[in-house]
Amino acid sequence: QVQLVQSGSELKKPGASVKVSCKASGYNFNSYSIHWVRQAPGQGLEWMGWINTKTGNPAYAQDFTGRLVFSLDTSVSTTYLQISSLKAEDTAVYYCAREKNYMDVWGKGTTVTVSS
Amino acid sequence: EIVLTQSPDFQSVTPKEKVTITCRASQYIGSSLHWYQQKPDQSPKLLIKFASQAFSGVPSRFSGSGSGTDFTLTISSLEAEDAATYYCHQSSNFPFTFGGGTKVEIK
Repeated sequence: QVQLVQSGSELKKPGASVKVSCKASGYNFNSYSIHWVRQAPGQGLEWMGWINTKTGNPAYAQDFTGRLVFSLDTSVSTTYLQISSLKAEDTAVYYCAREKNYMDVWGKGTTVTVSS
Repeated sequence: EIVLTQSPDFQSVTPKEKVTITCRASQYIGSSLHWYQQKPDQSPKLLIKFASQAFSGVPSRFSGSGSGTDFTLTISSLEAEDAATYYCHQSSNFPFTFGGGTKVEIK
C-alpha cells in the first residue's frame, strides 16, 4: 500500500545536526512532491518546505533558511531532511507528506529532541 | 504569507450534535483549501480537499464549503471517534500555511 516510512526518534545536543529520512513505497515516487511539516509539543502544524522529486529542487520556508537541507535518493525512493545548528526550540515531531495540491499521505512522524 | 485564522480554538460538543469550524484566509485563495484531522499521537489525516471534496474513505458526516477567503468544515452529527484537532491548510501560494487548529472535545 501507499506509505511513507520515517526514521526513528533522535536525541541531539544543541548545536548538533540531525538527518531524518522518509522512504516512499506503493506509488511512483517521481509523481508527487514531498513536503516537511513540524509540530512542536502541544502546538500546531508548521510548514517547513518541500522538494520536487522529479528535479531534486528544494524550497524552504523563510524561518528555516540557512539551517535546513532537503535531499533525495531516488534509487531508494527516499527523501531526507537535515537540520543543522539545532536549538532547544527545534524539539518537535517532524512529518513528511506527499503532495499534489494537497497532502494525502503522511509519515508517522519522527521525534527530534534537542537537549543538553 | 497567507494567514489562516480558524475559529473557535476549542469546542466541547455532545455526541450527535452538529459541529462547525471556520477558516478565514488573509487573501483570496480560490478553492485551494484543505482540511485535516489529527488525533493525539497520530499524524494528520486528509478529510476534505479543495474546500468541498471529501477525500476517499472519509465518513459522509464530514463536509466542507466555501471559496475565496471564507471556508467551513461541518461535522453533521458528532461521534465519539471525532474527538481530535482539525486544521485547515492552503496550497494556493507559497509558503504553504496551516490554520492554528480547532480542538473538538466530546462532552
